[in-house]
Amino acid sequence: DQQVKQNSPSLSVQEGRISILNCDYTNSMFDYFLWYKKYPAEGPTFLISISSIKDKNEDGRFTVFLNKSAKHLSLHIVPSQPGDSAVYFCAASARNSGNTPLVFGKGTRLSVIA
Amino acid sequence: KAGVTQTPRYLIKTRGQQVTLSCSPISGHRSVSWYQQTPGQGLQFLFEYFSETQRNKGNFPGRFSGRQFSNSRSEMNVSTLELGDSALYLCASSLRTGDNEKLFFGSGTQLSVL
Repeated sequence: DQQVKQNSPSLSVQEGRISILNCDYTNSMFDYFLWYKKYPAEGPTFLISISSIKDKNEDGRFTVFLNKSAKHLSLHIVPSQPGDSAVYFCAASARNSGNTPLVFGKGTRLSVIA
Repeated sequence: KAGVTQTPRYLIKTRGQQVTLSCSPISGHRSVSWYQQTPGQGLQFLFEYFSETQRNKGNFPGRFSGRQFSNSRSEMNVSTLELGDSALYLCASSLRTGDNEKLFFGSGTQLSVL
């Protein structure tokens, strides 16, 4: 049973527009959420995170929004650039439940078209 | 500072064989985690080692095992290989156990089982 779901396997966006990547989770114990970005032939790299005590975290062009009641988070990239084309993984952990490993979604492949 | 190094980069094996994958973490990092990435399941947690002790284990059969050495280098072993074991195996290191925000991934070992 997938505890972290990324229902869109792929997304295409024009350069300069907003990219919105979505993620849903089912485990109420999750209290910390992260986004990782992966280019082909490379390992995932950490992008941005958010704690459950917040509903928004911003870092430059990247903003993550968390809706705890809906168990939903989203990553906004504005403006999108061709270099953002990659696979994006949503991940979650239950920090307050001790040392629990990250649970990842299946990823969304973002293509930014010039 | 060198990143996480995984060897070999590619591996082809046949069913029934066994395989050993190696991971050298970033210098000073004591926690090493292993993940399996497949197109259908995304990234799935295998196990985590910290100071030569297994701290967490994912939901994989006993054919998957690992260990960590005193220099923090880690190996994972898969015995009696099955076709479904074909995947990208990713290693990630961090300074401390449970330090999920600061996981640094290697480029992975692509295993193909024929």
